[in-house]
Amino acid sequence: KNEVEQSPQNLTAQEGEFITINCSYSVGISALHWLQQHPGGGIVSLFMLSSGKKKHGRLIATINIQEKHSSLHITASHPRDSAVYICAVRIGAQKLVFGQGTRLTINP
Amino acid sequence: DADVTQTPRNRITKTGKRIMLECSQTKGHDRMYWYRQDPGLGLRLIYYSFDVKDINKGEISDGYSVSRQAQAKFSLSLESAIPNQTALYFCATSDSGQGVYNEQFFGPGTRLTVL
Repeated sequence: KNEVEQSPQNLTAQEGEFITINCSYSVGISALHWLQQHPGGGIVSLFMLSSGKKKHGRLIATINIQEKHSSLHITASHPRDSAVYICAVRIGAQKLVFGQGTRLTINP
Repeated sequence: DADVTQTPRNRITKTGKRIMLECSQTKGHDRMYWYRQDPGLGLRLIYYSFDVKDINKGEISDGYSVSRQAQAKFSLSLESAIPNQTALYFCATSDSGQGVYNEQFFGPGTRLTVL
């Protein structure tokens, strides 16, 4: 069993829909990262969080440490949100363990 | 200009060839990483370096070697490339400061194909 599991693996939705991507992990962590990988391959960091909730524009990330679970939400989704979203957990000082990613497609 | 650059961006080579992938950063970060990404799998750590004199193996270091020539440069070598090393390779950097969340900044990736 992978230490980090994301669901769903693929998600297709219509523009404007509310999107939720889930991440569950099985180990103790010091922080959790959400990353976005563009169709061209580049990876950018969206959020780092160790508790609670963070919001940036239409993106919201939450984490429940007790349940070892995090969610990434996108409100009013747009075709430009189409990308692969990756959850990664930080174990120890620097080790990151990555989920397999969720491929999101938003249709106009 | 990009803070983390990788060269080449694409490379096609043959089995048995020696290949070097290069990574440079202008962020002034101490820590640098090499990852590979395969379809359907998460990124996996190959090697990491916390400073010029510190090199550490990651989870999949076999068949790879690295060189930290300077704080800003971290190279990944495939001594004798094999087809299952075909993948997308990413370099990343992070700060080491106290109290910093140690966000990692990724390069654009190098797509390597070994025939």
